[in-house]
Amino acid sequence: GENVEQHPSTLSVQEGDSAVIKCTYSDSASNYFPWYKQELGKRPQLIIDIRSNVGEKKDQRIAVTLNKTAKHFSLHITETQPEDSAVYFCAARGNQFYFGTGTSLTVIP
Amino acid sequence: GAVVSQHPSRVICKSGTSVKIECRSLDFQATTMFWYRQFPKQSLMLMATSNEGSKATYEQGVEKDKFLINHASLTLSTLTVTSAHPEDSSFYICSVAWHSYEQYFGPGTRLTVT
Repeated sequence: GENVEQHPSTLSVQEGDSAVIKCTYSDSASNYFPWYKQELGKRPQLIIDIRSNVGEKKDQRIAVTLNKTAKHFSLHITETQPEDSAVYFCAARGNQFYFGTGTSLTVIP
Repeated sequence: GAVVSQHPSRVICKSGTSVKIECRSLDFQATTMFWYRQFPKQSLMLMATSNEGSKATYEQGVEKDKFLINHASLTLSTLTVTSAHPEDSSFYICSVAWHSYEQYFGPGTRLTVT
């Protein structure tokens, strides 16, 4: 089955700086890669996603890049704000969804 | 995206009792729903895939007789934790698959077994 690894597990950045979270996957059949943001005690919310026929996607301060050859994809958050503080999960979808282990992001005002 | 509700949001039960959690897709008909559990500061662990009108598909290590799933309609799936024990205490989250790719999650149910 699929194996999704996510790094780092925790990340602290100063407000205004950029944050990068990286994930790798093992199943070359995976073709959909979403990112979720989860605040404490709340549901994961889809923030951005990318499909395997695209290398990069951007939505305002958030971008995702995908390298199919290397089987890794990354989340980039620019101009971070305190409200970006949350746990972020990557996922890969082949036959089913597999989630990364999560990154706890803290944006320091 | 899809709108998903879950009920109850929190439940406390005594050891040995059963608890039912409902997951509803409010704005579209979901043939497939997923059930996850999440321990504190950990990732989402898929428990089972709920298919409307057929038996659920359980992940390895998940006891189907303990976690009963019923997907009786295109808008409702239920998870029943039978004979609950303290180790079953967790955050249970359902999701619906929208257009086969995107997943939208319910708000979760915090189960505490005393």
